Amino acid sequence: AQKITQTQPGMFVQEKEAVTLDCTYDTSDQSYGLFWYKQPSSGEMIFLIYQGSYDEQNATEGRYSLNFQKARKSANLVISASQLGDSAMYFCAMRAPGGFKTIFGAGTRLFVKA
Amino acid sequence: GAVVSQHPSWVICKSGTSVKIECRSLDFQATTMFWYRQFPKQSLMLMATSNEGSKATYEQGVEKDKFLINHASLTLSTLTVTSAHPEDSSFYICSARVVGELSNQPQHFGDGTRLSIL
Repeated sequence: AQKITQTQPGMFVQEKEAVTLDCTYDTSDQSYGLFWYKQPSSGEMIFLIYQGSYDEQNATEGRYSLNFQKARKSANLVISASQLGDSAMYFCAMRAPGGFKTIFGAGTRLFVKA
Repeated sequence: GAVVSQHPSWVICKSGTSVKIECRSLDFQATTMFWYRQFPKQSLMLMATSNEGSKATYEQGVEKDKFLINHASLTLSTLTVTSAHPEDSSFYICSARVVGELSNQPQHFGDGTRLSIL
């Protein structure tokens, strides 16, 4: 069975500093995809970044990067130069190939302080 | 592209009524749609997978007769919460998969529906 674990219920970061949100996963599949989504208080889900299990390089998208350590089964999200608008809930998610069913972690609420 | 429209955004109704939530793919065809439920400050829990023209597949513990799902066309899936009670109050969000889309593509989410049963 697949499982996503986010152990940080809440995180605080000073504006303009970097922050790492942790995510570990468990799966017996060799091929899988890892996603990070942002959910502001308004509720919509915003896709941030994707990492495939066979991707050799860590994914980057603007201020977002994914620290992928396959052997440790971790896929931490790094947000550089935090902004006040980054305050939101962040979910790590995993999808196995073929089924398109996605499971989500419990989420981490990020608070950016001015 | 790949816009998913969910309606209504907010619903407040009396206990015992049935509530229908629509999920539409506006600029693509969606053979598969997913319905999630999210309690405050919690994660998204998959309720069911809806496939066009066939019966929905419900996750364990989800009452099929309480949460009726219809996916009658390639652009519309509906979730009906029947005889709703206060414990059904939650945030419901749908997502859709583009026909032929690869598994490395993100899900296309609607903006969600906040349901409050009085």
